[in-house]
Amino acid sequence: GAVVSQHPSWVICKSGTSVKIECRSLDFQATTMFWYRQFPKQSLMLMATSNEGSKATYEQGVEKDKFLINHASLTLSTLTVTSAHPEDSSFYICSANLPYNEQFFGPGTRLTVL
Amino acid sequence: GENVEQHPSTLSVQEGDSAVIKCTYSDSASNYFPWYKQELGKRPQLIIDIRSNVGEKKDQRIAVTLNKTAKHFSLHITETQPEDSAVYFCAARLDNYGQNFVFGPGTRLSVLP
Repeated sequence: GAVVSQHPSWVICKSGTSVKIECRSLDFQATTMFWYRQFPKQSLMLMATSNEGSKATYEQGVEKDKFLINHASLTLSTLTVTSAHPEDSSFYICSANLPYNEQFFGPGTRLTVL
Repeated sequence: GENVEQHPSTLSVQEGDSAVIKCTYSDSASNYFPWYKQELGKRPQLIIDIRSNVGEKKDQRIAVTLNKTAKHFSLHITETQPEDSAVYFCAARLDNYGQNFVFGPGTRLSVLP
């Protein structure tokens, strides 16, 4: 199946710093990627839909100025958590899907904010 | 918008027994229903999916049934094994490119040896 990579796999940072997470589709082009957040023992919650060449679409309750999304190419979307705080600690997963096909997930990034 | 419910939230079965997880969805326009298995700290992996023009699909020990009229679909795992222990998520999606999935809250399955 299609491959989606994510980097880094884990990151620890101090409160107030910004963290950038990269999501790449390795063997296909994705005009749309999705960013999810998953807290322990909870489901995947969609944060935003990343659209290549245009602004991301954010879900209700997700601060667009805090979670900056850039989808500059057909194979790369980035999520930047700005001024991270301990409550932002979570498992962040991106995904992309082929047209009329299943959704492929990245391996996830575990963010810990001290 | 779409809303997906999933039951039970936790399920324990003896090795060799069957496990059934049920989901309901709210948007009758949804027509693609995948099931994902997620092991701790790892990405969700697709295990089976079904489209609305099909009522049942089977892949070895795993099967999914869909009742479009009632708007519910179920995952059936037979002859469970300890390695089936994981969290299972159902999802619903309008089968158009770029449409995101709406996930159920998940079911934590434990298969006891």
